[in-house]
Amino acid sequence: DGGITQSPKYLFRKEGQNVTLSCEQNLNHDAMYWYRQDPGQGLRLIYYSQIVNDFQKGDIAEGYSVSREKKESFPLTVTSAQKNPTAFYLCASSIFPGLAGQSSYNEQFFGPGTRLTVL
Amino acid sequence: AQTVTQSQPEMSVQEAETVTLSCTYDTSESDYYLFWYKQPPSRQMILVIRQEAYKQQNATENRFSVNFQKAAKSFSLKISDSQLGDAAMYFCAYRSAYGGSQGNLIFGKGTKLSVKP
Repeated sequence: DGGITQSPKYLFRKEGQNVTLSCEQNLNHDAMYWYRQDPGQGLRLIYYSQIVNDFQKGDIAEGYSVSREKKESFPLTVTSAQKNPTAFYLCASSIFPGLAGQSSYNEQFFGPGTRLTVL
Repeated sequence: AQTVTQSQPEMSVQEAETVTLSCTYDTSESDYYLFWYKQPPSRQMILVIRQEAYKQQNATENRFSVNFQKAAKSFSLKISDSQLGDAAMYFCAYRSAYGGSQGNLIFGKGTKLSVKP
């Protein structure tokens, strides 16, 4: 079955610790995304990657870091610099967003999420 | 920059009835895509329906349909014959037809739908 997996489902972090959230996809998608979800805030983009070895900051990248060494994997590290990391984190993937003018839905497919709690 | 607004934080519907969730967006682009995602209590995001801006015909997926009004920049979701399993958060999202970072999804803040038996 093709899909996106995230691990762990629940993660607890002590203050001052870095933690890494895993995201893996076997959909052969080029693009991958990380979102943060807080109550009443919808989904906010943290980082995205359109191809391997390249990634870009989203709207709320401060305190987070990512890597994209393999097409299938896009781990997110929540660093100690992130002041309020308690949230639900969603990973998504899509086919390559493409060039301007290309007509394609390019809808994003989501993983099941990771709930991060700071103790 | 584009924005998506869902003005109803919460909605309620009786089982088997019809409910409409509102979504408006702001953009200066003429070509784009619109989506409705459902997030049930499991928190798994599921694509419900999608619409291309240059298509006049409103999209339909079984009990789900949209009312796309391009001039008014409105994209409402209608759920017919509501079922208990429809209870969820619903997110409206916009994506530019242009590539690169412009092609990222922009989400509204969501509408929580409750279904009463």
